[in-house]
Amino acid sequence: DSGVTQTPKHLITATGQRVTLRCSPRSGDLSVYWYQQSLDQGLQFLIQYYNGEERAKGNILERFSAQQFPDLHSELNLSSLELGDSALYFCASTRGGRADEAFFGQGTRLTVV
Amino acid sequence: DAKTTQPNSMESNEEEPVHLPCNHSTISGTDYIHWYRQLPSQGPEYVIHGLTSNVNNRMASLAIAEDRKSSTLILHRATLRDAAVYYCMGDWGGSEKLVFGKGMKLTVNP
Repeated sequence: DSGVTQTPKHLITATGQRVTLRCSPRSGDLSVYWYQQSLDQGLQFLIQYYNGEERAKGNILERFSAQQFPDLHSELNLSSLELGDSALYFCASTRGGRADEAFFGQGTRLTVV
Repeated sequence: DAKTTQPNSMESNEEEPVHLPCNHSTISGTDYIHWYRQLPSQGPEYVIHGLTSNVNNRMASLAIAEDRKSSTLILHRATLRDAAVYYCMGDWGGSEKLVFGKGMKLTVNP
């Protein structure tokens, strides 16, 4: 158990819909990262937050947005969903330093039908 | 972002040492080198990281070349549980981004 909790574990929704994925970081961790992993693909970095502020951005689509709340949990919002958005979405948390070990959640599997 | 280069795949036999190479020729002097692995149907897990000196922990050793343009992850005695995709990456330029490449699939034969 990494200490990072992602909910829900599975999500099935229709094209055009909007979903919210939630991530609770490890206790004491200030930084949260979001990744997308499509079938047999590598992990695509989406976005990073540190203590409520956006710190780094990757190849995140305009239809996707995220935020980190004062209690440090984070949410990834995916809207106008397309079939190609079907993937595993992982979040990871770190204390916030550069060389910190990142702990990953078990992921949310999103299926868009 | 700077890039890493790893073989697509490697095979090893159980109980034998495994050396997993990674090239990172554009690394700068302050970039840490991180290794993670992802077992099937799981989230990635941290293996080891280093800056200049070789590093050891309970899972593996990391050997960093003197010019820091390459590194090798060493699993001293491979087990079936070590079969995974291994990612070599860095926080290039101090950006704190953890950017994964394609990774390298390690198969461990019994």
